[in-house]
Amino acid sequence: QKEVEQNSGPLSVPEGAIASLNCTYSDRVSQSFFWYRQYSGKSPELIMSIYSNGDKEDGRFTAQLNKASQYVSLLIRDSQPSDSATYLCAVNTGGFKTIFGAGTRLFVKA
Amino acid sequence: DAGITQSPRHKVTETGTPVTLRCHQTENHRYMYWYRQDPGHGLRLIHYSYGVKDTDKGEVSDGYSVSRSKTEDFLLTLESATSSQTSVYFCAISEETGTYNEQFFGPGTRLTVL
Repeated sequence: QKEVEQNSGPLSVPEGAIASLNCTYSDRVSQSFFWYRQYSGKSPELIMSIYSNGDKEDGRFTAQLNKASQYVSLLIRDSQPSDSATYLCAVNTGGFKTIFGAGTRLFVKA
Repeated sequence: DAGITQSPRHKVTETGTPVTLRCHQTENHRYMYWYRQDPGHGLRLIHYSYGVKDTDKGEVSDGYSVSRSKTEDFLLTLESATSSQTSVYFCAISEETGTYNEQFFGPGTRLTVL
């Protein structure tokens, strides 16, 4: 079992819809959780960090964390074609160890 | 890219040759990391540094070495490049470690080993 799992996609949503990206992790002692956006041929860009159970909102993005179920999700409201990218989930289990998922490709259709 | 540059941005080399990739930051962050990214594997940590001359291995360190002689520079060396080291290499920096380990990435180096 991979330590951080994501559906590879592609996830296709129409413009203006809500995109829901999910991630599960295996290490129960994980402390912090991150979402990165990566455009094709570019480097990962940090878009959200979440450290405690519940929701965290930042503009059109909402991160949701449920430690009991070991999942973290990212909602993108009012999706735009410019949101089309690969979204990486990352989990820090303490110290220097941050594990990245392989990413979910999102395609927003105009 | 949060004040991080990588050089070269692209390199093609032959099996058996040594290769050095450079990461330079202007943020004065203490922690620096080298990752490789391959399809289906996500980002995997090669080595990291927690200060000048302080480095340690990550999960895929075989065949790689690093050095950090100044806060701003972190070098990754492939001692004798192999085709399995063909990948995209990213440098990252962070101000803290542990829970608040928000990492910021450089633009990447695409390395091809023939």
